[in-house]
Amino acid sequence: EADIYQTPRYLVIGTGKKITLECSQTMGHDKMYWYQQDPGMELHLIHYSYGVNSTEKGDLSSESTVSRIRTEHFPLTLESARPSHTSQYLCASSPMGTPEQYFGPGTRLTVT
Amino acid sequence: DQQVKQNSPSLSVQEGRISILNCDYTNSMFDYFLWYKKYPAEGPTFLISISSIKDKNEDGRFTVFLNKSAKHLSLHIVPSQPGDSAVYFCAADNNDMRFGAGTRLTVKP
Repeated sequence: EADIYQTPRYLVIGTGKKITLECSQTMGHDKMYWYQQDPGMELHLIHYSYGVNSTEKGDLSSESTVSRIRTEHFPLTLESARPSHTSQYLCASSPMGTPEQYFGPGTRLTVT
Repeated sequence: DQQVKQNSPSLSVQEGRISILNCDYTNSMFDYFLWYKKYPAEGPTFLISISSIKDKNEDGRFTVFLNKSAKHLSLHIVPSQPGDSAVYFCAADNNDMRFGAGTRLTVKP
């Protein structure tokens, strides 16, 4: 059973607000990921990390930032939310040496 | 540029019958393929995978077939059960995982 958590699960926020989506895993996985997914569309990688102090941008251009100060924690921050940020955000982790990823339950973000 | 495609957005089958979900990819460098299952309000969960050195992998009711020459993989579920109703994503990996858009499977009692 994968232990990866995301908070909040649902968030409605006004344009211009700063928000942080939390992601934590208790499996000691080195690799962590953030994906954005719109209904009926594929998952798009927006950020990933291969370990503490390692962060990289994914394929999808994003105005978000991430940090990896601890192995278990990989928060994503939007400095100024816009309606175009409305989407589902999925966090995932995987151990080194295997491609299987374990996903959190997601955060559904609505920016009004 | 969508490297992994699931051309059927939805599939409906009768309980007890076979469900076949299809996936095509364009990048011949992919060397590992996965299927994930997603229920509403939950994240995807890993279901089954296959390495490019194999053409079939079976796990209980789930079998994944890989046809490298056609760049095609499929997931067979036999027999299908109502609890299998979910969105199924295929993914392909070469140190850079790409996901399809998903197929919504509905298994009718």
